[in-house]
Amino acid sequence: GAVVSQHPSRVICKSGTSVKIECRSLDFQATTMFWYRQFPKQSLMLMATSNEGSKATYEQGVEKDKFLINHASLTLSTLTVTSAHPEDSSFYICSARDRGTIEKLFFGSGTQLSVL
Amino acid sequence: GNSVTQMEGPVTLSEEAFLTINCTYTATGYPSLFWYVQYPGEGLQLLLKATKADDKGSNKGFEATYRKETTSFHLEKGSVQVSDSAVYFCALSDHQAGTALIFGKGTTLSVSS
Repeated sequence: GAVVSQHPSRVICKSGTSVKIECRSLDFQATTMFWYRQFPKQSLMLMATSNEGSKATYEQGVEKDKFLINHASLTLSTLTVTSAHPEDSSFYICSARDRGTIEKLFFGSGTQLSVL
Repeated sequence: GNSVTQMEGPVTLSEEAFLTINCTYTATGYPSLFWYVQYPGEGLQLLLKATKADDKGSNKGFEATYRKETTSFHLEKGSVQVSDSAVYFCALSDHQAGTALIFGKGTTLSVSS
């Protein structure tokens, strides 16, 4: 079946540094990618939606200058957490949609970010 | 706004026990409903879905029926196995808002032999 590779799975960084998370669709072209974050015991919250070749659409309350999303190709999207702070510590998950319906939506395994 | 509420875990069962994980939703219109499963170290996988009222989604022995009158989509399995241990997420898709999913908080299931 379709696979989405998300890397790294876990990252620990110092406050003030930037962290990049990659999301790759391995065997299909992802026209749309979604980025979610999850706090412990909370729902996955949609952060932004990105379509290949265009700017990402951010959900209300998500700082676009802090969470930079790039979807430069049909197989790769990146999320960069800039100037990370401890409150950015969270679990981030990407999902990629193949052409067609929502049934063709696949998820990465997530990245646990810990900011010290 | 749209939302999904699912029972909090963890749920701990013995092998072959009956499983129910409750899920209720709030939505305008007629959303599609999903159950996703996340096994340790893996990404979320679609387990089953239902797109209209009274539809029953089923897969791998799991079932869920779209109940519009009670706005529910409870997940059930008659006899769980150790390999079913995972985190289960209920989700809905509001077609008017595009194809991004709205998730519940997830329920951790642990099955012991």
